[in-house]
Amino acid sequence: ELKVEQNPLFLSMQEGKNYTIYCNYSTTSDRLYWYRQDPGKSLESLFVLLSNGAVKQEGRLMASLDTKARLSTLHITAAVHDLSATYFCAVDSGSRLTFGEGTQLTVNP
Amino acid sequence: SQTIHQWPATLVQPVGSPLSLECTVEGTSNPNLYWYRQAAGRGLQLLFYSVGIGQISSEVPQNLSASRPQDRQFILSSKKLLLSDSGFYLCAWIFGTASYEQYFGPGTRLTVT
Repeated sequence: ELKVEQNPLFLSMQEGKNYTIYCNYSTTSDRLYWYRQDPGKSLESLFVLLSNGAVKQEGRLMASLDTKARLSTLHITAAVHDLSATYFCAVDSGSRLTFGEGTQLTVNP
Repeated sequence: SQTIHQWPATLVQPVGSPLSLECTVEGTSNPNLYWYRQAAGRGLQLLFYSVGIGQISSEVPQNLSASRPQDRQFILSSKKLLLSDSGFYLCAWIFGTASYEQYFGPGTRLTVT
């Protein structure tokens, strides 16, 4: 059974600081996804990582994938308040996604 | 363009009442469709998925059921709701065949009282 673990589950950071969210998974997969969820809202797709070594960046967020280590990271650079949300990673196992528990990020002024 | 709709947006139902949630997709044909549930403050749990009309796979045994009567329609049902059925129900579909990326509908927030 595929297991996906995110850490930390809660993250409070100051504006302007950098931080990394980690996503570990238990079985082999070449596809990993990052989503953002604002309170009371649905999930918004952020990144799709399809191969080992894949790196994608959008604004202050950068995601990477190491399939050999079964690890993905979501790096936040110079955080701003608008990034406050819950971030989920999800791992594909035959067109079905298994989600992590999410990282609730709060960026304080 | 592809769009996914969910109805209703919010629902309050008493314990023991029936349930029907609808998900429809526009702008694509023969999509893979999924139902997820998110309990408050938790991650997403896959409930059902469907690769075609009448084809339903259940992930978690429970008092919920799903049906796919038409290519772009996916329905989640229950005959008798439990308190534990409360949550945020999300329908999702896969865009394309290369990335298998899932896109989510706006969701239905169900409160069972």
